[in-house]
Amino acid sequence: EAGVAQSPRYKIIEKRQSVAFWCNPISGHATLYWYQQILGQGPKLLIQFQNNGVVDDSQLPKDRFSAERLKGVDSTLKIQPAKLEDSAVYLCASSLDQRDSYNEQFFGPGTRLTVL
Amino acid sequence: KNQVEQSPQSLIILEGKNCTLQCNYTVSPFSNLRWYKQDTGRGPVSLTIMTFSENTKSNGRYTATLDADTKQSSLHITASQLSDSASYICVVRGYGQNFVFGPGTRLSVLP
Repeated sequence: EAGVAQSPRYKIIEKRQSVAFWCNPISGHATLYWYQQILGQGPKLLIQFQNNGVVDDSQLPKDRFSAERLKGVDSTLKIQPAKLEDSAVYLCASSLDQRDSYNEQFFGPGTRLTVL
Repeated sequence: KNQVEQSPQSLIILEGKNCTLQCNYTVSPFSNLRWYKQDTGRGPVSLTIMTFSENTKSNGRYTATLDADTKQSSLHITASQLSDSASYICVVRGYGQNFVFGPGTRLSVLP
């Protein structure tokens, strides 16, 4: 079974530039998550999709971050414009169905973003 | 407020030694607790899941315990190997709630 795919793996940009990350979840997984992980901290949920609908985006800085999952499969996360404090690893995860509390989340390798 | 705390923040041990990592949580109502291992440059991978009725669960050299009364969990690593060097993250889920992540414990195993 293929895992969660993410690209790019690394990205370096200057502040005020734009950047986009892509995630392809495990086939058949209805729930997709985007997390931000700052060095030395645990992941922080940015947004959660159930199929192509948003379940939770309460911690997404909506003035600069946006995400979509148009066909309920792949997802993109965009930052525009980037700030220095956005430097982090952006993790994508998927699970069969978030309504089942026992479903395991499977994580992708992450995209390491450095904002200069 | 639902929170997960972990200790120690970091730990250095010699290869072959045992160690125990701690997790305290305030998530309620409790559904389950997972321990994840995150190697440098990779996403977290689940080691074990603990539910309310489970006290102990093993996965190879990893043994997790849960005390639902005191809201504490531990992860014990036996006969450590260099490949155990990683961050270990405790994640708790309440019923009908999202996952709450701890900050992780950074383990370094030295030869």
